[in-house]
Amino acid sequence: NAGVTQTPKFQVLKTGQSMTLQCAQDMNHNSMYWYRQDPGMGLRLIYYSASEGTTDKGEVPNGYNVSRLNKREFSLRLESAAPSQTSVYFCASSSIGGSEQYFGPGTRLTVT
Amino acid sequence: KNQVEQSPQSLIILEGKNCTLQCNYTVSPFSNLRWYKQDTGRGPVSLTIMTFSENTKSNGRYTATLDADTKQSSLHITASQLSDSASYICVVSEIVKNGGSQGNLIFGKGTKLSVKP
Repeated sequence: NAGVTQTPKFQVLKTGQSMTLQCAQDMNHNSMYWYRQDPGMGLRLIYYSASEGTTDKGEVPNGYNVSRLNKREFSLRLESAAPSQTSVYFCASSSIGGSEQYFGPGTRLTVT
Repeated sequence: KNQVEQSPQSLIILEGKNCTLQCNYTVSPFSNLRWYKQDTGRGPVSLTIMTFSENTKSNGRYTATLDADTKQSSLHITASQLSDSASYICVVSEIVKNGGSQGNLIFGKGTKLSVKP
């Protein structure tokens, strides 16, 4: 079991460029999440998917879109990257909403 | 606004010593409180999850306590090891009214623990 995997591990973008962060889990979990972690702040929820076919906004959704491609995969897209989106992005999954969450290793994104 | 405050912000201890990390929260009502360990450059890993009715839960050398009346939790680490060097994050799961299968997680900023030889 790989758990939760994320690609890429590191990425540098120029302002205005777009990219998609990929996340996959092999634990047959229903719920998946995208967080960002900034220095001096707690993790903040960007978007989540309670189950396959549904997505909902979290605390900081502006500038992002998500796709729950299937039960395993949940991607996060930045359509037009901005320096304020420089952060470490974590994907997580849980069997159901509210249960223990398992986190991926993170993607460190820098927008110049 | 519901908040989770952790103290101290950072802590340095010698290997073999014990330490206690604090978490105060204003989240109400809540369903559970979690402690996560996050190694540098890695994702958080769950240490303990306690419901509002539980007072204490252990995971090896880690013991978490919860006082729902005073809205305080602590994480006690016994006989620290170099591998305990990490950030420890307190997370409170807010009960979401009107359905919300998500359950809103409120993350603290973490306590950065350094264990020195």
